[in-house]
Amino acid sequence: KAGVTQTPRYLIKTRGQQVTLSCSPISGHRSVSWYQQTPGQGLQFLFEYFSETQRNKGNFPGRFSGRQFSNSRSEMNVSTLELGDSALYLCASSLGLDRSSYGYTFGSGTRLTVV
Amino acid sequence: QKEVEQNSGPLSVPEGAIASLNCTYSDRGSQSFFWYRQYSGKSPELIMFIYSNGDKEDGRFTAQLNKASQYVSLLIRDSQPSDSATYLCAVKTGGSARQLTFGSGTQLTVLP
Repeated sequence: KAGVTQTPRYLIKTRGQQVTLSCSPISGHRSVSWYQQTPGQGLQFLFEYFSETQRNKGNFPGRFSGRQFSNSRSEMNVSTLELGDSALYLCASSLGLDRSSYGYTFGSGTRLTVV
Repeated sequence: QKEVEQNSGPLSVPEGAIASLNCTYSDRGSQSFFWYRQYSGKSPELIMFIYSNGDKEDGRFTAQLNKASQYVSLLIRDSQPSDSATYLCAVKTGGSARQLTFGSGTQLTVLP
């Protein structure tokens, strides 16, 4: 059974550019969450999607956005990149929103460097 | 006060000893509690989850939850050098706020 697949693994962008990251959840998983991990702030929640709808959003500026497609694949977009956006972006999938399917499986992440 | 707090460590234990990792949380409405292990340069890996007060055992790992004290812990028995990693406590609140909130992690080193 394939795990959570994130692409690309590494990315270098220039300040002011925009970037799109992709996440394919485990087959059958319908919930996708995105997290940002930095040495200083740790793992911080960005947003969660279920059935193509954003169900919850963390405390990040509007430059961070996402979407989910009918096949549960998800993308997140960061516009007008800033140096502080350099981080590991992690996607996690789970079966659904109810308590019995709370297990989250993380992908390998996308390492974004903004220069 | 942070929502989820962990001893930042680092924590060092000799091989074969019991490693004890602690976590406290601030939201009394929290319903589900998770322990993740993250090796350097890798993504977090789910070790255990617990919903009910008491202990839950899985192999060498035991999660303990005390909702009255808002405290969750992870015990690792017979620690091995391969257990050396950062351990992340995560808490999920029900209702409208469904995200996992992570602690800053405790770095564990098991000395051969």
